Amino acid sequence: EPEVTQTPSHQVTQMGQEVILRCVPISNHLYFYWYRQILGQKVEFLVSFYNNEISEKSEIFDDQFSVERPDGSNFTLKIRSTKLEDSAMYFCASSPQALQETQYFGPGTRLLVL
Amino acid sequence: DQQVKQNSPSLSVQEGRISILNCDYTNSMFDYFLWYKKYPAEGPTFLISISSIKDKNEDGRFTVFLNKSAKHLSLHIVPSQPGDSAVYFCAASARNFGNEKLTFGTGTRLTIIP
Repeated sequence: EPEVTQTPSHQVTQMGQEVILRCVPISNHLYFYWYRQILGQKVEFLVSFYNNEISEKSEIFDDQFSVERPDGSNFTLKIRSTKLEDSAMYFCASSPQALQETQYFGPGTRLLVL
Repeated sequence: DQQVKQNSPSLSVQEGRISILNCDYTNSMFDYFLWYKKYPAEGPTFLISISSIKDKNEDGRFTVFLNKSAKHLSLHIVPSQPGDSAVYFCAASARNFGNEKLTFGTGTRLTIIP
């Protein structure tokens, strides 16, 4: 069964450093998402992406964050200058279409900012 | 932001009995609801969904009930099995309003007692 994959599974970084989290969505899906879950809190929406542009973003997704689909398979989330409060599990999700289909999640990347 | 609430942080059920997980929402624009199951260190796994035009959807051992007037939904698992032990998240979106993002509840940890 096709699945969303994410790399790395764990990332430790120093505050102020840039990180790039990578995702390979399910191959025939067209809509891509990033969510995060801070330890002990709920899963929160960050951004949705379709047709090479952001279609929706949350208040969390400020100028420090960016997303890109650099090729036909990868979908990345970049945090330019990490802060301690960026420590969380980051989940990528994809769906065949927006508004009609379920979002399928990857296993997540655990980011720890020191 | 408590638009989706799961008031029971944990629930223990005997194997073979029915598990009932509850979820309440406040945003009347929500029109699509999903249940996800999550094991530690994994991403949320889609279980079952329901559109606001229905009041029940069934898939094998899983049934979701929606009461729009009460803004309440529930997930029934019967019979419960040890492999059902996980954290269950309720999520909602306002698809007909062009809103793709999923808003999650805080989760209920279900433990099935053998």
